[in-house]
Amino acid sequence: DTEVTQTPKHLVMGMTNKKSLKCEQHMGHRAMYWYKQKAKKPPELMFVYSYEKLSINESVPSRFSPECPNSSLLNLHLHALQPEDSALYLCASSQGKGNPYEQYFGPGTRLTVT
Amino acid sequence: AQSVTQLGSHVSVSEGALVLLRCNYSSSVPPYLFWYVQYPNQGLQLLLKYTTGATLVKGINGFEAEFKKSETSFHLTKPSAHMSDAAEYFCAVSGVLMEYGNKLVFGAGTILRVKS
Repeated sequence: DTEVTQTPKHLVMGMTNKKSLKCEQHMGHRAMYWYKQKAKKPPELMFVYSYEKLSINESVPSRFSPECPNSSLLNLHLHALQPEDSALYLCASSQGKGNPYEQYFGPGTRLTVT
Repeated sequence: AQSVTQLGSHVSVSEGALVLLRCNYSSSVPPYLFWYVQYPNQGLQLLLKYTTGATLVKGINGFEAEFKKSETSFHLTKPSAHMSDAAEYFCAVSGVLMEYGNKLVFGAGTILRVKS
């Protein structure tokens, strides 16, 4: 099973709302990633968790807050977003450190900030 | 540092014709190379990968790619295009193996259009 699931599929939120995106994988992967993808652009890395610890934060604004409750789950908490944060948010996972393993992507959450 | 250049933001082919999507990379270390496909409003699906060994790599849906170190290229091909191949294709490189896994650097993407 090479599936990464993401919920919700679509999300519309106001600039004062707080919402969360969820990602789950059951492949035993120990690295999990959040990407942001704007229309007609490649994915941009936001965060990387390795063995449930935050390893990389690509200078993402604090209104995005990641969380990795366990090795299978990854959340992205959203607060006070701006309209320019509207995008497709992709979660991915890969095997852990020391190997050039491919990343498996979820279907994404389409976020619209009004 | 790693970088990827995909030549041609849009490629149009007729159904049944050869598909050729170009990818050139830059890497200061031996690269690991990937091709992903993205259908509208979906996530990325891995087509194929090159890590080490055989330079001609076969993937899903009849696609293949050849790693050419001397040309720093990893072009994607398919002998006969099908309407269902219409999508956006991303080439990605992963170089230095990090503690946490691997960091992918994506090209800008190529949108493939298949004409009937």
